[in-house]
Amino acid sequence: AQSVAQPEDQVNVAEGNPLTVKCTYSVSGNPYLFWYVQYPNRGLQFLLKYITGDNLVKGSYGFEAEFNKSQTSFHLKKPSALVSDSALYFCAVRDEGGSYIPTFGRGTSLIVHP
Amino acid sequence: DAGVIQSPRHEVTEMGQEVTLRCKPISGHNSLFWYRQTMMRGLELLIYFNNNVPIDDSGMPEDRFSAKMPNASFSTLKIQPSEPRDSAVYFCASKVDGSSYEQYFGPGTRLTVT
Repeated sequence: AQSVAQPEDQVNVAEGNPLTVKCTYSVSGNPYLFWYVQYPNRGLQFLLKYITGDNLVKGSYGFEAEFNKSQTSFHLKKPSALVSDSALYFCAVRDEGGSYIPTFGRGTSLIVHP
Repeated sequence: DAGVIQSPRHEVTEMGQEVTLRCKPISGHNSLFWYRQTMMRGLELLIYFNNNVPIDDSGMPEDRFSAKMPNASFSTLKIQPSEPRDSAVYFCASKVDGSSYEQYFGPGTRLTVT
């Protein structure tokens, strides 16, 4: 079975400060991990993914995420937040040896204050 | 490519009426997903097609919901009869076959049932 948790419903950060959106996962085998962003009245948009290789993955809009196998985490980070980063962020996981259907977290609302 | 196309973008209907939502996946993508998003329940997977065949419809809430994919470039989600609790944003997503590939979401259809 596969599952993913986003422990924070909302994250608040000041513009220019670093941001972190947390994600933890559970799979039986090797994980495929994804981050998506949803802006208001839009569909989800792919940001980045971890399949294999370097634990630090870089994606769109200056975002990056670090895969930590021992902590089963895949936190999304950005060194300097922008007001325009305010959106809903979803983490998703797929078990490499399991179903082709990814499991999504409930989403974390990121609010960046000017 | 134009991305995943959904129509209509907004639908307002009265309880008891039939509603049909449409999706055109990205050309070359052979996996298609229908999701429903509400504030209360978050993002829910309704049904997953692979090569036009329904693989997992366990998320379809009840018999009032049905989905078809008559060819690789078109899918429909039908609700008959509609109820106020069906009000939500419905997303279609497509992806290339293969476990490590990300999904591409359409803009969604906002359904309001009065």
